[in-house]
Amino acid sequence: GDSVTQMEGPVTLSEEACLTINCTYTATGYPSLFWYVQYPGEGLQLLLKATKADDKGSNKGFEATYRKETTSFHLEKGSVQVSDSAVYFCALSLSKLTFGKGITLSVRP
Amino acid sequence: DTAVSQTPKYLVTQMGNDKSIKCEQNLGHDTMYWYKQDSKKFLKIMFSYNNKELIINETVPNRFSPKSPDKAHLNLHINSLELGDSAVYFCASSQKGREISGNTIYFGEGSWLTVV
Repeated sequence: GDSVTQMEGPVTLSEEACLTINCTYTATGYPSLFWYVQYPGEGLQLLLKATKADDKGSNKGFEATYRKETTSFHLEKGSVQVSDSAVYFCALSLSKLTFGKGITLSVRP
Repeated sequence: DTAVSQTPKYLVTQMGNDKSIKCEQNLGHDTMYWYKQDSKKFLKIMFSYNNKELIINETVPNRFSPKSPDKAHLNLHINSLELGDSAVYFCASSQKGREISGNTIYFGEGSWLTVV
């Protein structure tokens, strides 16, 4: 079946450090790919998405590129802030939305 | 204006009780969902309705029964609550039904259920 694999966490960074969160997927068709973010005590918010190969999603300084050849959708940010501390979920969508396990990011001042 | 709203946000109840969580969306979407997030933050779909019709029903105990009185509402009723039902339950909605790939799913803020 369809699945999403995220790198193991948690991740702790200092403010202004570079961030990369790896995400790879397995799917029977051509899915759309998403990153959702969950801030402490809140629900999930869409961070960015890409609907076809080579598309780049971007929002709030975060970027991810849909790489069909490596079946990946890694999340990157050049300079993280304390306010980026949250749980990040990679997900794919075909007939339904399938999430990865999520990774907790903590950013120190 | 809250797009997807669910109530209650927090619910503490005893084992064996029956409880409901209500959800409403004002986005005009056709499809609504219930997701469960366990203590390890893992998210899994439970149900999906498209225009009041059930289209996804994952392996969920029969004690869980969704009800959709209209396409803007999807309530979750849970009978005979068990300790393992403690989780965060998220309601969500999206524009289209059966072909949701590419359509953004919008989530509510979650309902924290604790069974004691």
